[in-house]
Amino acid sequence: KAGVTQTPRYLIKTRGQQVTLSCSPISGHRSVSWYQQTPGQGLQFLFEYFSETQRNKGNFPGRFSGRQFSNSRSEMNVSTLELGDSALYLCASSPGLVTDTQYFGPGTRLTVL
Amino acid sequence: QKEVEQDPGPLSVPEGAIVSLNCTYSNSAFQYFMWYRQYSRKGPELLMYTYSSGNKEDGRFTAQVDKSSKYISLFIRDSQPSDSATYLCASFQGAQKLVFGQGTRLTINP
Repeated sequence: KAGVTQTPRYLIKTRGQQVTLSCSPISGHRSVSWYQQTPGQGLQFLFEYFSETQRNKGNFPGRFSGRQFSNSRSEMNVSTLELGDSALYLCASSPGLVTDTQYFGPGTRLTVL
Repeated sequence: QKEVEQDPGPLSVPEGAIVSLNCTYSNSAFQYFMWYRQYSRKGPELLMYTYSSGNKEDGRFTAQVDKSSKYISLFIRDSQPSDSATYLCASFQGAQKLVFGQGTRLTINP
């Protein structure tokens, strides 16, 4: 079974721009979660989608948004990029039950200049 | 205060040593505990998943949860250079919402 895939793997943007990251979950998985990983804050939960609905949300500003499509693929968007948004953005998929194991993708490394 | 605390290390041990990695947590409602391993430039991969208190063993890895002291541990026996990675403890705070420790960077020296 193919794992979680994320595109692009690397991205360089400038302050004020916006960016869209994509995640394809493991086949059959209906839940997709997004995390931000930085050296200072570690791994922090952004949001989770299940069957196209946002089921849970972390403490991030409204500039961070996401969506999920009917095929379970998910995108996250960051608008008006700030230098502090430079991070590794990780996507994780699971079958969808509340405590199901999450399987992570390789991440998208975003650098904001 | 973070809900899951973990010493970031770094931790360096010789090959063959027993490694002990530890986390503490503050939320007594936490029931499920995980250990992930993350190699450089990769996403985290699940090593161990435990429920409530007790021990779980998988090959050279043993996960231990003590809910009375809110303490979780991962032991690695006969450590190998390939075990060099960052180890992250985590728990579910809500539906599919994982809360992670800071991660401990481990190096096994040949």
